Amino acid sequence: SAVISQKPSRDICQRGTSLTIQCQVDSQVTMMFWYRQQPGQSLTLIATANQGSEATYESGFVIDKFPISRPNLTFSTLTVSNMSPEDSSIYLCSVDGGAYTEAFFGQGTRLTVV
Amino acid sequence: QKEVEQNSGPLSVPEGAIASLNCTYSDRGSQSFFWYRQYSGKSPELIMFIYSNGDKEDGRFTAQLNKASQYVSLLIRDSQPSDSATYLCAVNMEYGNKLVFGAGTILRVKS
Repeated sequence: SAVISQKPSRDICQRGTSLTIQCQVDSQVTMMFWYRQQPGQSLTLIATANQGSEATYESGFVIDKFPISRPNLTFSTLTVSNMSPEDSSIYLCSVDGGAYTEAFFGQGTRLTVV
Repeated sequence: QKEVEQNSGPLSVPEGAIASLNCTYSDRGSQSFFWYRQYSGKSPELIMFIYSNGDKEDGRFTAQLNKASQYVSLLIRDSQPSDSATYLCAVNMEYGNKLVFGAGTILRVKS
């Protein structure tokens, strides 16, 4: 299984600001995924990040709001831009574990926007 | 129709009993199925995965898959209070590598 380090683990931010979340994997992986988990809800995929190409965003999520970088096969960042209280959630990074996509998760970033 | 459906619960079982968690999915071409456990404030932890019809056992956990009925379940034998958590069913849909998660079932094991 992959070991995923995600930081920060939590943050409290002012509305209108941006936060960049980092995700580091201990091995090279083809695909990295960013999820959002709103309070009391399940996980919703934001986007899929492949190295060397633009991220693929799910319906309801746009690049201007959630820009993603994937500079190499072990690292990715997700930025939450121009934050509002509605962006308060846990943000999770996960990686593709192989042919059958065993997804492993980072520890998550608990974001509170005030 | 939701792509992956779970009963939100809570499902309450006494300590030592069998907990049965159920999940249905909409995409008949789905290939792989996962069960995650999530404690409050923590990230999901993979506990079981299954690809083929039938049962797969791992310790106290058994995953059951019936592709014809588009149904996957998780049985937890000898339930312990430490099993109290939200259990998420996830399905690898045919059209991509991404996982689609159900809403989760809250399990409470009473001592």
